[in-house]
Amino acid sequence: QKEVEQDPGPLSVPEGAIVSLNCTYSNSAFQYFMWYRQYSRKGPELLMYTYSSGNKEDGRFTAQVDKSSKYISLFIRDSQPSDSATYLCATSSSNTGKLIFGQGTTLQVKP
Amino acid sequence: GAGVSQTPSNKVTEKGKYVELRCDPISGHTALYWYRQSLGQGPEFLIYFQGTGAADDSGLPNDRFFAVRPEGSVSTLKIQRTERGDSAVYLCASSLGSGPDAFFGQGTRLTVV
Repeated sequence: QKEVEQDPGPLSVPEGAIVSLNCTYSNSAFQYFMWYRQYSRKGPELLMYTYSSGNKEDGRFTAQVDKSSKYISLFIRDSQPSDSATYLCATSSSNTGKLIFGQGTTLQVKP
Repeated sequence: GAGVSQTPSNKVTEKGKYVELRCDPISGHTALYWYRQSLGQGPEFLIYFQGTGAADDSGLPNDRFFAVRPEGSVSTLKIQRTERGDSAVYLCASSLGSGPDAFFGQGTRLTVV
């Protein structure tokens, strides 16, 4: 079993939909939770990160962590075709960039 | 530069050859990371530098892989006796001394034929 599990999709939604992306993890020592966006043939781009449990909002994006269930979510409101990409969740037990990534979920937002 | 720069962007090499991949981190970032990403997978950690020293090299798959960062800025990932299974995108990231928010370069796509 991988330490971070993520459904690879693909996930296809119409423009304007609310998108929910999720990961589960197994190690209770993980304290930092990140979401990256990766366009085809590009490097991952950091969207946001949270420490421990709770919510964090940035524009149309909301990250949510539930440590009791070891569940990480990213919500995208009013999705746009430009949001079409692979979304990677990542975790860390230390305050460093040594990250454990999920497999990534491919999202397609159709106009 | 403004972001993490990796060269070359693409590298094709023959099985058994030696390759070097270069990473130029964001100016002022003391931490530097190498990851490897296979097709359809998330990046996998290889090695982490804090300054000039390797703080954690637990992700290097075997002794054919080696990385250096002699002056605490540019880093080189070196792979000896390349194998077809080494084909992947090699990603470099950097961050300030503390903090999990790492910023990635575009990667070097290595193909071993």
